[in-house]
Amino acid sequence: AQTVTQSQPEMSVQEAETVTLSCTYDTSENNYYLFWYKQPPSRQMILVIRQEAYKQQNATENRFSVNFQKAAKSFSLKISDSQLGDTAMYFCACAITQGGSEKLVFGKGTKLTVNP
Amino acid sequence: DSGVTQTPKHLITATGQRVTLRCSPRSGDLSVYWYQQSLDQGLQFLIQYYNGEERAKGNILERFSAQQFPDLHSELNLSSLELGDSALYFCASSVGGVTGLLDEQYFGPGTRLTVT
Repeated sequence: AQTVTQSQPEMSVQEAETVTLSCTYDTSENNYYLFWYKQPPSRQMILVIRQEAYKQQNATENRFSVNFQKAAKSFSLKISDSQLGDTAMYFCACAITQGGSEKLVFGKGTKLTVNP
Repeated sequence: DSGVTQTPKHLITATGQRVTLRCSPRSGDLSVYWYQQSLDQGLQFLIQYYNGEERAKGNILERFSAQQFPDLHSELNLSSLELGDSALYFCASSVGGVTGLLDEQYFGPGTRLTVT
């Protein structure tokens, strides 16, 4: 079965500093995608970054980057120069194609607070 | 604003009742996804439709059903409601259907359902 684990229920960081959110996943498929979604207090889900499993290069989007370790099945999110607006729940997710259909599984989330 | 709209924003109903949640995808998007977010179950993928056809099914109960209409809007029907169905229900949309759940998804603001 496909699982996604976020081992840090809550984290905090000072404004302008760097923070890393952890995520591990388990799937037997070779082709899959990994995502980080952000859910601010408004409750809207916002895609932060996406990584294709077949790509070795780590994805980067401005201040957000990932450390994708395929062998270890690890997909951590690094936020550089943290801003107050980064305060949110962050969800890691894994999507696979299996038997002609897709499955998408989310982790339980990490609540990140950026302190001024 | 993601371009995905959901109505109503809030819904309060009694156990045993039936409700319909509505979602309009972004212009040009053919895929619609439904998710349930509750405190104890986290974020769960329910079902995906692509251009009117069911494309992928997740942890959707038999009491729940969905459809996508020719104009691409979608409805999620929840019947015989139980207290445990109280949750935030998200709709998301994406452009394609070939990669389905692997696509970048844009989430709506959600419908908060409270079952009393």
